[in-house]
Amino acid sequence: SQTIHQWPATLVQPVGSPLSLECTVEGTSNPNLYWYRQAAGRGLQLLFYSVGIGQISSEVPQNLSASRPQDRQFILSSKKLLLSDSGFYLCAWAASFEGNQPQHFGDGTRLSIL
Amino acid sequence: GQNIDQPTEMTATEGAIVQINCTYQTSGFNGLFWYQQHAGEAPTFLSYNVLDGLEEKGRFSSFLSRSKGYSYLLLKELQMKDSASYLCAVRDRYRGSTLGRLYFGRGTQLTVWP
Repeated sequence: SQTIHQWPATLVQPVGSPLSLECTVEGTSNPNLYWYRQAAGRGLQLLFYSVGIGQISSEVPQNLSASRPQDRQFILSSKKLLLSDSGFYLCAWAASFEGNQPQHFGDGTRLSIL
Repeated sequence: GQNIDQPTEMTATEGAIVQINCTYQTSGFNGLFWYQQHAGEAPTFLSYNVLDGLEEKGRFSSFLSRSKGYSYLLLKELQMKDSASYLCAVRDRYRGSTLGRLYFGRGTQLTVWP
């Protein structure tokens, strides 16, 4: 069966510091991969998605970036964090031919910027 | 873009039935999903509708009317553990590819009282 791992679970970082969140998927090949952010009291916002290695699309302009160095690895990064980057970050995967297949979420990373 | 609207909060008592509505405006509709999210946790998939009508899954059912841009999630025989946020998400068609981006509503916080 397929599983998705996301780490760390919680992270406290100072303003201006770099960020690297990692997500890996097991048990499937060539998944579509997604990064979302959920700010307090707001809905899930799609940040990045990827249909294959090295293929990244950005949904919103921001100081974050994403990379997909391997088929089942998705990384969210920042060179300099802002206070507004605080939130709950979720990685998700879906079968490459989605049809009626849902997106499945990792456990999330709660990021607090001080 | 997408515009998804659902009530912010609802309350109900154990054993009752509750209906959570979702209205949406979208270009290129390609399915509607309902997710459950307990506080501090990741969303988990509940149901999927792409054609008009009712989909039943145990105590949970979901209905879709594409012409009205409307869906509801029906929860029967409510239990305390059903207290959670329920997220409505609409998937679009992206450039004819297999990838569909999900756009989430802000969620409906359901509280079930004993």
